[in-house]
Amino acid sequence: GEDVEQSLFLSVREGDSSVINCTYTDSSSTYLYWYKQEPGAGLQLLTYIFSNMDMKQDQRLTVLLNKKDKHLSLRIADTQTGDSAIYFCGGGGGATNKLIFGTGTLLAVQP
Amino acid sequence: NAGVTQTPKFQVLKTGQSMTLQCAQDMNHEYMSWYRQDPGMGLRLIHYSVGAGITDQGEVPNGYNVSRSTTEDFPLRLLSAAPSQTSVYFCASSYSPRDAGELFFGEGSRLTVL
Repeated sequence: GEDVEQSLFLSVREGDSSVINCTYTDSSSTYLYWYKQEPGAGLQLLTYIFSNMDMKQDQRLTVLLNKKDKHLSLRIADTQTGDSAIYFCGGGGGATNKLIFGTGTLLAVQP
Repeated sequence: NAGVTQTPKFQVLKTGQSMTLQCAQDMNHEYMSWYRQDPGMGLRLIHYSVGAGITDQGEVPNGYNVSRSTTEDFPLRLLSAAPSQTSVYFCASSYSPRDAGELFFGEGSRLTVL
């Protein structure tokens, strides 16, 4: 089945860029996504990229997809304390209705 | 617009007890799902449904039952609770996961099994 892995923790200083990485095993996903979870809340969609794209930019967010290495990354420019949260990557679509998430990366932004 | 509503928010059970976690959505979404979230394990899919009368297993279905008699509701049943089922449970719905439909999450239900 699908396996999605992320590093568990990332700490950055306010104003720096953050890069959260993700590797996945199932190449049949038609899109890959990033969700954000703030303390005590459910997940909210941050952004997604279709599997036929290499990059997607949305304001401070840049998503890079390397299909050959099955590697997905999320770059947050000018990271703010409000960006402190857990970030989940995952894949969906294709032949399955399952949406599988990774282990989540806790981003801690130091003032 | 309520979105996805889960009840209860907190529950403590003794081993062997049964209970149902309720989930309702008012967005007319065909797709609904249940996840559990555990430290270091991320979110794992328990069961999902692509429409009324249709359910399927996710990654960790053992010990859980679901049914989908209406589009709006997707309850999750624990038949005989075990300490390993202590977790935070999230219900989520989407109009079309195959087409990159956004998954909308409830606020979660924290379950402790003693």
